[in-house]
Amino acid sequence: DAGVIQSPRHEVTEMGQEVTLRCKPISGHNSLFWYRQTMMRGLELLIYFNNNVPIDDSGMPEDRFSAKMPNASFSTLKIQPSEPRDSAVYFCASSLAPPNTEAFFGQGTRLTVV
Amino acid sequence: QQQVKQSPQSLIVQKGGISIINCAYENTAFDYFPWYQQFPGKGPALLIAIRPDVSEKKEGRFTISFNKSAKQFSLHIMDSQPGDSATYFCAASKNSGYALNFGKGTSLLVTP
Repeated sequence: DAGVIQSPRHEVTEMGQEVTLRCKPISGHNSLFWYRQTMMRGLELLIYFNNNVPIDDSGMPEDRFSAKMPNASFSTLKIQPSEPRDSAVYFCASSLAPPNTEAFFGQGTRLTVV
Repeated sequence: QQQVKQSPQSLIVQKGGISIINCAYENTAFDYFPWYQQFPGKGPALLIAIRPDVSEKKEGRFTISFNKSAKQFSLHIMDSQPGDSATYFCAASKNSGYALNFGKGTSLLVTP
């Protein structure tokens, strides 16, 4: 298996633009997580899905952020409009159901909003 | 708020030495405690994990020590090598929820 695949790897956008990050989880995994990593705050959970259903989105910073999982093999994280403070590395991770709780991370998308 | 507190923020160890990273948590519902290793430009990868029914788990040079009463756990890296230089994150989750709560990370540098 290729692991969790994220695209793009790098994104540079202007403030106010819409940004869409994409994730393909490992086949057969039924949980998917979006994390944001910054120097100041470390790894923060934004949202996670179980069987394509959002379970906890309390980490989503504000209404500018939205996430979808239309099927078991694809998820998107959208920021509209983007702001410079959204600059971070965004990771997607997937896992099997408990007790196999190892989360496998993608390579991340480095987002820079200028 | 940060549910898992990690220290130190950075650590420099000589080759062959022991690296020790500590974490503490408050939520007694947590029952899964993994450590992740992250190299620059890569996503975190699971290194070793423990559940609270044991006090220690060892895999090669990596050992987790777990103190349930103190709500603390630590990672020990024996015979540290330059290739171990990376950022290490402790984490915790509830089995039923299993979304990981991460510490802020420790940047480890092992000098030759």
